[in-house]
Parts: sequence; structure tokens; C-alpha cells
Amino acid sequence: DQQVKQNSPSLSVQEGRISILNCDYTNSMFDYFLWYKKYPAEGPTFLISISSIKDKNEDGRFTVFLNKSAKHLSLHIVPSQPGDSAVYFCAATRHLLMDSNYQLIWGAGTKLIIKP
Amino acid sequence: NAGVTQTPKFRVLKTGQSMTLLCAQDMNHEYMYWYRQDPGMGLRLIHYSVGEGTTAKGEVPDGYNVSRLKKQNFLLGLESAAPSQTSVYFCASSSGLQRTIKETQYFGPGTRLLVL
Repeated sequence: DQQVKQNSPSLSVQEGRISILNCDYTNSMFDYFLWYKKYPAEGPTFLISISSIKDKNEDGRFTVFLNKSAKHLSLHIVPSQPGDSAVYFCAATRHLLMDSNYQLIWGAGTKLIIKP
Repeated sequence: NAGVTQTPKFRVLKTGQSMTLLCAQDMNHEYMYWYRQDPGMGLRLIHYSVGEGTTAKGEVPDGYNVSRLKKQNFLLGLESAAPSQTSVYFCASSSGLQRTIKETQYFGPGTRLLVL
């Protein structure tokens, strides 16, 4: 039972255009969401996050949108650059405190390919 | 700073063999984590630690043991390896200052393990 789903295994986008990566979740209790980016042979690196009290968070070329009613979030990259080619993971949690109830649920990732 | 390092990068084991994966961080982080990543699935937490001398079970702890004898090191042990443990293993750390899952996790480059 995958609580966080990234239904597109891969996405190809022309350089300079907008990349939109999608993530759906099933647990309505999730209230904090994160995006990580991963290059081959490296570990994931943190990209951007959003709390459920917001519907948008922006950091430079990266914007995350949250639609709580649809249980859907998306990551927009504008404009897309060749260095953005990577695997993007979405993750969600409902329990923020670092204690024995730790829970951070990850999606399977979407491979983004930016074409020159 | 080297950040988070993992040893070894790649290993082949026979069923029933044992091994230890080593994770080291030089950021003086309190929290450390071990994840596994399998094809088509998100990262899943195996065990984690909120400080030297402490460990806790994650989502998929069976077949693994961990130890955190020194703050900078987090060891993952497989006592009797099984083919189902073929995976890519990632170690991560976070500062622990906020004591929440919101803290950015810093990942190592991963260890690819093949169990025959």
C-alpha cells in the first residue's frame, strides 16, 4: 500500500521549458511534504518543502504547490536546465517529532530528463 | 568536510553470509538513519538513531541490526544475508537541533549490495 505515489517513472522536457513533477498521497493526516533530488551514484539532496498550512512555496526556479483537497502536490521547475536532469523524490510525514513514531514516507521517484 | 560517507560502495554476498555497512558523518549530527531503496519503490527506513548509544526500528527492520557506539558512526549489520536484502542502502544524518522530521537529511552516496 503506497501512501505516496509518483505515477510518472520518467519525464522528458526541453531545456528552457517548465518541468512539472507530480506526487499524490492517500493519507489525509500528512501535513508536511518534501522534495529531494538525486543524481546517479550520489545520495538524495534536499530541494524544497511545504507545510500543509500553505498551498505554495517558492525557492528560485523551484516552486511546490499543494492541493490538500486533491491530496496532490507538484514541483515546478522554471526554466528547466540540463543540470536539473535527475531523479526527484517526494516524501510526506504526519508526525514531526523525532521520537519512536518517526514516519517519513517516500515516493518511488520520477526521472527527469532535460533535452538540450 | 566529507559530509556523509559509506563503506563499501559495492558488495556481493552469498546467502547466509554476514557483513557490516559503515556510515560516517563529520557534521556532528545527532540523528542518523539507514534506508534501503528497491526498484519501483521509495526509500524505506530500516533503523535510525537519535543520539550516541541509541537506536530505534524503522519501517523495515527485520534481518538487520544497528549500532551507534560513536556519535559520528552508524553501523548496519546483516547477520545472515538473504536475496531479499539485495538493494541499495543509503545512510543519512540530520542535526537534531530542531528535533523534528523537518530537518534536512544529508545522504551518503549509497552502498549497492547483491546477495546471491
